[in-house]
Amino acid sequence: AIQMTQSPSSLSASVGDRVTITCRASQGIRNDLGWYQQKPGKAPKLLIYAASSLQSGVPSRFSGSGSGTDFTLTISSLQPEDFATYYCLQDYNYPPAFGQGTKVEIK
Amino acid sequence: QVQLVESGGGVVQPGGSLRLSCAASGFTFSSYGMHWVRQAPGKGLEWVAFIRYDGSNKYYADSVKGRFTISRDNSKNTLYLQMNSLRAEDTAVYYCAKGRIAVAGPDYWGQGTLVTVSS
Repeated sequence: AIQMTQSPSSLSASVGDRVTITCRASQGIRNDLGWYQQKPGKAPKLLIYAASSLQSGVPSRFSGSGSGTDFTLTISSLQPEDFATYYCLQDYNYPPAFGQGTKVEIK
Repeated sequence: QVQLVESGGGVVQPGGSLRLSCAASGFTFSSYGMHWVRQAPGKGLEWVAFIRYDGSNKYYADSVKGRFTISRDNSKNTLYLQMNSLRAEDTAVYYCAKGRIAVAGPDYWGQGTLVTVSS
């Protein structure tokens, strides 16, 4: 099974900061990767699919890049509502696998 | 708009069984694959199972294979997860989620239902 390694596990940042989260797959997954945001007590929300496509309704400050084994989620200017936990998910093959999550906290 | 409402969670003893349901609306249920994903308290997301739009193929995480069964009733717009031989480590919030396309990962998620396995 493909393993997803996400880093960092947590980070502290200020409003307006540029934030980058990475995910590495244990083998090539083309661009079959999604990024999700989860706030406490809430269901996850899809932000990015196919590595770089923005889900409808998601602010343009979120972007994704990468292919093969290395992927990045970037928040260009962190907003108060962006403090949450972020997960990557490979859906290249079954079983799909999530990264361990990155908690973005207020500095 | 897409709406997914899970039900059937609760407290069950180790070795017991439970059936979760997920009522779908706001999209053509019979055209999309569906997932179950779970999250143990304070932990990350774990994919559990997937069923294709027509029920022709089903996939399971190794951790639940042989104990859980995913199914669907397209006439009722409902997804199910039959959970048998439950263990303490199955304690989690269980989410149903709509597949984005074909066998791709989820796009829309329900609010989840809590399953607690405890004596």
